[in-house]
This record gives sequence, C-alpha cells and structure tokens, in this order.
Amino acid sequence: DAKTTQPTSMDCAEGRAANLPCNHSTISGNEYVYWYRQIHSQGPQYIIHGLKNNETNEMASLIITEDRKSSTLILPHATLRDTAVYYCINNAGNMLTFGGGTRLMVKP
Amino acid sequence: GAVVSQHPSWVICKSGTSVKIECRSLDFQATTMFWYRQFPKQSLMLMATSNEGSKATYEQGVEKDKFLINHASLTLSTLTVTSAHPEDSSFYICSAESNGPKDQPQHFGDGTRLSIL
Repeated sequence: DAKTTQPTSMDCAEGRAANLPCNHSTISGNEYVYWYRQIHSQGPQYIIHGLKNNETNEMASLIITEDRKSSTLILPHATLRDTAVYYCINNAGNMLTFGGGTRLMVKP
Repeated sequence: GAVVSQHPSWVICKSGTSVKIECRSLDFQATTMFWYRQFPKQSLMLMATSNEGSKATYEQGVEKDKFLINHASLTLSTLTVTSAHPEDSSFYICSAESNGPKDQPQHFGDGTRLSIL
C-alpha cells in the first residue's frame, strides 16, 4: 500500500502557482520523497525528488518540512499543460508504490 | 536522458487471442524492468518485476500463466497477455530501473492501451 496521502483533486488558475501537498508521516530516515506526474494516456513523468533539503529544478520546487512528515510540490506558474495526476511517493530503493495522487486541473 | 520505448501504443484484438507488448530501454541497459496495469480513473498497480536472465517476480493476485514476461536482454522485456478477455482491457505501462546516477528510480514508457472485444 502507498505510504503517502494526497488530496484527491485541486484546481489552479493558469499562470498562478500550484501548491500540491503530500503527507508522509511514516517516512523512514533513508527514504526519499519522489514526485511524478501522469498526463492523460501517458506514462508517469519524473518531476523532482528530495531527502530533507528543499529542491528546485526547471520543472518545480519541492519543500520538505523539517520533520520530513510532509512536503509540498510547487509549480511556480501553472500552464494548461500541467493538468495531470501528481503522485507523491516515498521509498528507499527502486520500487515505487503509487497511491491515488492529486488530480490537478489548471483552468484558463 | 534515459528513454524507455513501449510498443504498440494501442491495440485492439478479439477475445481469446494473445497480445505481446514490448518494452525497450533505448540508451541504457536495464537489468530490472517493471510492468504495471492501470484501470480507468485508478492508480498504477505493479504486476510484476522482470529481471534479465531470470524468472519474473509476480505480485499477489497476478496470474503468471496469463501474463507471460520475458526479459531476454538488457534492453528488452516483453509482456504477453495470453488468451485475452474483455476484463484484461487496460492501460499497461512498463518502466526500467535506473542504473546510473540516481536522479529517479524508474524511467517509464508511454504505455499500451489494450482493448479486448
């Protein structure tokens, strides 16, 4: 079973920041937090990952709380093409267990 | 970056036939590949882990005689759905385990939509 919980769905206005929360209260010390997204009828796409420090790349920023029990994925300027299901996963190896994810709808 | 190619992307076939789906790592070698199944409006569910040169490891509830997995080389794994029936209609996705710098655990293909009539 997935070890993370996320809101089922969220809406965001185009051009605004999308903040997607994830709870992973049982995360172990050696487990990373990974974020993938899945656009309709495609395979999952890697976004970003982190262990305990905040991370930023060309796609998004990841904010991890100091106790590591939760994190937030930030898409700074959401576009219509960011409409997708976003999955937050924590693991220590190469296995990935997908939960329900958050269905983000970016609206004009 | 690492690319995983899945073929075909879409297939329709009659009930009772067998369907083979290929998963290739195009620019890297993958000792381990994974096969997932996704029903409409549901999440990805791991079906099996495919290891090059050895038998696949199936998740509980997945019939190994129905979903045949072959991983004969470091760049190719195949999933054959034998005697397919309408309930096997689903979106099948493969991934390959990263073997370089650990930017991400798995690289995913774009999936195969299987429709059984």
